[in-house]
Amino acid sequence: DQQVKQNSPSLSVQEGRISILNCDYTNSMFDYFLWYKKYPAEGPTFLISISSIKDKNEDGRFTVFLNKSAKHLSLHIVPSQPGDSAVYFCAASVNKFYFGSGTKLNVKP
Amino acid sequence: KAGVTQTPRYLIKTRGQQVTLSCSPISGHRSVSWYQQTPGQGLQFLFEYFSETQRNKGNFPGRFSGRQFSNSRSEMNVSTLELGDSALYLCASSLGAGGPADTQYFGPGTRLTVL
Repeated sequence: DQQVKQNSPSLSVQEGRISILNCDYTNSMFDYFLWYKKYPAEGPTFLISISSIKDKNEDGRFTVFLNKSAKHLSLHIVPSQPGDSAVYFCAASVNKFYFGSGTKLNVKP
Repeated sequence: KAGVTQTPRYLIKTRGQQVTLSCSPISGHRSVSWYQQTPGQGLQFLFEYFSETQRNKGNFPGRFSGRQFSNSRSEMNVSTLELGDSALYLCASSLGAGGPADTQYFGPGTRLTVL
């Protein structure tokens, strides 16, 4: 039972434009949400997080939005850079972490 | 501060064999979690150890087991390997305080191939 879903396996964006990665979840008990970035041959690295009591969190070029009524999470990257090309995982937590299947972002120069 | 290390990085085994993977957490971290990553399935949670005790467990068969030592290093064991066990096994460590702020830091993973 996949409680966290990333329905887009890949996304291609032009450098300088906005990248929007989406994530849906089913468990209303999740109290914390995170995004991780993963390069090939490396483990995922923490990117940004948001508590369930907030609806937005910003860190530089990265902004995470949480819509609890829609059970939807999104990550905005503005402006996108070629170095952002990686697989992005969203995760949600209640006692333990549940991860989505990942979205491969390709930022074209 | 050194990151999470995992050994070995690559492993090839045959069906029926068993395998042990090792994870050394970041110094000071007391929680170690294990995940299995397969194409299209994302990261599937295996189990979490905290202070040498299993604190959480995912939905994997009993062939998958783990333990944690007093220095917080952890090992994961898979017995009677099946072809479907081929995956990237990731270890993540955290302070272990629990709650939303307990960010996990991942190692590079062990790539297991079962032939």
